[in-house]
Amino acid sequence: DQQVKQNSPSLSVQEGRISILNCDYTNSMFDYFLWYKKYPAEGPTFLISISSIKDKNEDGRFTVFLNKSAKHLSLHIVPSQPGDSAVYFCAASGRGGGSNYKLTFGKGTLLTVNP
Amino acid sequence: DGGITQSPKYLFRKEGQNVTLSCEQNLNHDAMYWYRQDPGQGLRLIYYSQIVNDFQKGDIAEGYSVSREKKESFPLTVTSAQKNPTAFYLCASSPDRASYEQYFGPGTRLTVT
Repeated sequence: DQQVKQNSPSLSVQEGRISILNCDYTNSMFDYFLWYKKYPAEGPTFLISISSIKDKNEDGRFTVFLNKSAKHLSLHIVPSQPGDSAVYFCAASGRGGGSNYKLTFGKGTLLTVNP
Repeated sequence: DGGITQSPKYLFRKEGQNVTLSCEQNLNHDAMYWYRQDPGQGLRLIYYSQIVNDFQKGDIAEGYSVSREKKESFPLTVTSAQKNPTAFYLCASSPDRASYEQYFGPGTRLTVT
């Protein structure tokens, strides 16, 4: 049972436009959400996170939005740059239900930013 | 220069052999994790350790073993009992049990033939 879902395997956008990556979750015990960026044959790098007590967190060109009632979060990148081309993983964590300190990852979305 | 080191980058083994993947960190982090990534899949947790001399099974621990004798080191052994060992293995660490963010090493690509 996949608790964190990234339903779009890939996304292609033009440089300078907005990239929107989506993530849905099913476990209501999740209370913290993270986005990681990964290049091929490298480890993921932490990008941005959001606590369930917030609905938005912004860091430069990256903004994460959380809709708890819909169990949905999204990552907005604006403006998109060719160097943003990578796989983006959504991850979630919760304090209860025996899942303390574990991160549950989605399958990732490959973002391609075209010059 | 602080970080997480995984070696080697690429590893090849024959089927039936055990192999140990190295993970070292000099970040003074308490918690360490092992994940595996398969093509088109997310990261799946194999084992994790929140303090020295203690570790817990993750979601896919069968066929793997770990040790945590030192704070800096968390080696993973892929045993012959692991049915599909070929994968990209990632080690991560986090400052303490109260931290959500995990920081990853560069990974080891293991190929078993």
